Amino acid sequence: KQEVTQIPAALSVPEGENLVLNCSFTDSAIYNLQWFRQDPGKGLTSLLLIQSSQREQTSGRLNASLDKSSGRSTLYIAASQPGDSATYLCAVYSGNTPLVFGKGTRLSVIA
Amino acid sequence: DAGVTQSPTHLIKTRGQQVTLRCSPKSGHDTVSWYQQALGQGPQFIFQYYEEEERQRGNFPDRFSGHQFPNYSSELNVNALLLGDSALYLCASSLARISGNTIYFGEGSWLTVV
Repeated sequence: KQEVTQIPAALSVPEGENLVLNCSFTDSAIYNLQWFRQDPGKGLTSLLLIQSSQREQTSGRLNASLDKSSGRSTLYIAASQPGDSATYLCAVYSGNTPLVFGKGTRLSVIA
Repeated sequence: DAGVTQSPTHLIKTRGQQVTLRCSPKSGHDTVSWYQQALGQGPQFIFQYYEEEERQRGNFPDRFSGHQFPNYSSELNVNALLLGDSALYLCASSLARISGNTIYFGEGSWLTVV
């Protein structure tokens, strides 16, 4: 059974800092991994999708990497801003199974 | 292009009552999945509908049921509500013929059971 773990559970950083969020999964037989952002009381917004054959994806100040063999992914946020404050969730897709989510990392960027 | 829309956004029900939540998928999508997200937790898969049939189901009791209509919209029904059913219910849509494509989520329906 696939399990996804996200570390840390919460993170508080000053504005401008670069930061890394971690995601690990127990079964490396995945099709892809997605990072989502969730603002308080809101739904999920997809940030980056990495296919199993890819090593990383970039979108603006965000960069996600995937090491399938070790069951790890990282989300790198450059030059953090207060508007980046949200919960970040990673989820893995393993074919004919639903997305399996971690519990998320709650990020606070202090101005 | 409308994304995934859900209704209602918030509702309060009493224990033992029944609730129906609705979802319209993103234009062009034919697969709808429902997730339950308790406070401080990641979303948990309830079930998935494609071609008006339940294709996959997570570890949820039969009190949770659903339906998909010919226009691909979907309903989630929960009977005999328990306090523990209080959560954010998320609908997600995708395109079945493209395996592993980006999945889109709605804003969710907040259910409070008192």
